[in-house]
Amino acid sequence: SQQGEEDPQALSIQEGENATMNCSYKTSINNLQWYRQNSGRGLVHLILIRSNEREKHSGRLRVTLDTSKKSSSLLITASRAADTASYFCATDPTGANSKLTFGKGITLSVRP
Amino acid sequence: EPEVTQTPSHQVTQMGQEVILRCVPISNHLYFYWYRQILGQKVEFLVSFYNNEISEKSEIFDDQFSVERPDGSNFTLKIRSTKLEDSAMYFCASESGSGLLGGELFFGEGSRLTVL
Repeated sequence: SQQGEEDPQALSIQEGENATMNCSYKTSINNLQWYRQNSGRGLVHLILIRSNEREKHSGRLRVTLDTSKKSSSLLITASRAADTASYFCATDPTGANSKLTFGKGITLSVRP
Repeated sequence: EPEVTQTPSHQVTQMGQEVILRCVPISNHLYFYWYRQILGQKVEFLVSFYNNEISEKSEIFDDQFSVERPDGSNFTLKIRSTKLEDSAMYFCASESGSGLLGGELFFGEGSRLTVL
């Protein structure tokens, strides 16, 4: 897989359920970020986790990072219909210039 | 809440024409970026800009592309002679540059470029 590959590619869940999205990458990173994109809109930053961190929380979001496995997961708890969007992980190799490498994204559908 | 604004939201142009995409980053931010997203493909880094010069650019950012910060607020991307494959959504982003290395990028809503 290429840098910043998410899986699954698409996820459909019922409102109230948790959504788990995974991201794998190949090269070393300074940090990994998750972004959200509503259809036809801009990217919205969700959370950033640095290479020396293992877990981070922000509201209903929980992100983990395993640098030994070069993987990250994003958990959205108690999902809402408004969480329906595409979610991207992006890796930053050096922390300088924010030359992010994005994955293809995961399409999350939350059914009311 | 401060935001990054981009104009135009959609531009249609003929192949070979010059296009300028405009961005107003968040006012106290120091780092500026252009990314693009071809329909159905990944978001790709084009260029980063700091202290009035390009700090890094990708292989996509060839001689047809240029960036400028002509005044204290605008940040522009110029494509000199557009090609069909330049059709994409172009996102401007800015970053405060404070704190630790690597930070949150604030993206605009994008400018959709269609080259005919």
